[in-house]
Amino acid sequence: DAGVTQSPTHLIKTRGQQVTLRCSPKSGHDTVSWYQQALGQGPQFIFQYYEEEERQRGNFPDRFSGHQFPNYSSELNVNALLLGDSALYLCASSLSASRRAQETQYFGPGTRLLVL
Amino acid sequence: RKEVEQDPGPFNVPEGATVAFNCTYSNSASQSFFWYRQDCRKEPKLLMSVYSSGNEDGRFTAQLNRASQYISLLIRDSKLSDSATYLCVVNIAAISGGYNKLIFGAGTRLAVHP
Repeated sequence: DAGVTQSPTHLIKTRGQQVTLRCSPKSGHDTVSWYQQALGQGPQFIFQYYEEEERQRGNFPDRFSGHQFPNYSSELNVNALLLGDSALYLCASSLSASRRAQETQYFGPGTRLLVL
Repeated sequence: RKEVEQDPGPFNVPEGATVAFNCTYSNSASQSFFWYRQDCRKEPKLLMSVYSSGNEDGRFTAQLNRASQYISLLIRDSKLSDSATYLCVVNIAAISGGYNKLIFGAGTRLAVHP
């Protein structure tokens, strides 16, 4: 049973560039959430996708956008990168909150982004 | 004020020691509660859920006090392999379903030494 997978594992970009990160959820899961974890901090919720729609968003600017595909995989896009966007980006998958609001989220290994 | 607050540590303890971590949360709409463990440069992994009645998993005991909005984790007989960052997590979910999001504390570092 494959867990949550993310690609790439590491990425180096320069300020102003755009980046796309990818996530495949755990088998049987249909909901994907994205988190940003800065060094020394806990993960911060960016947004959650279900049925190809964003249904909840954290306190992140519009430069952060996402997409979910029919196979439940997801992408996180960040435009106009800033130095402060350097972080570990984590994808978490779960079963639809519409069925079980307290469903546990399982995390992928993350993508470590460095913005120079 | 942060939604979930933890003592950052580090807690440096010898093998075999008992160590306790505490956490407070501010959002009374929090519906479920967890402790996650995160090893250096790895993803968070679920350690255990936390219930008001208290729950135990081997050497680990978690407790929730909804009235005080307080969560605890007790580790008995610490092992070297317990060295990690422990993240206190609350789950905020829409009552009617529709979404849920995890709110993390900044984590408490534990270092167990021989």
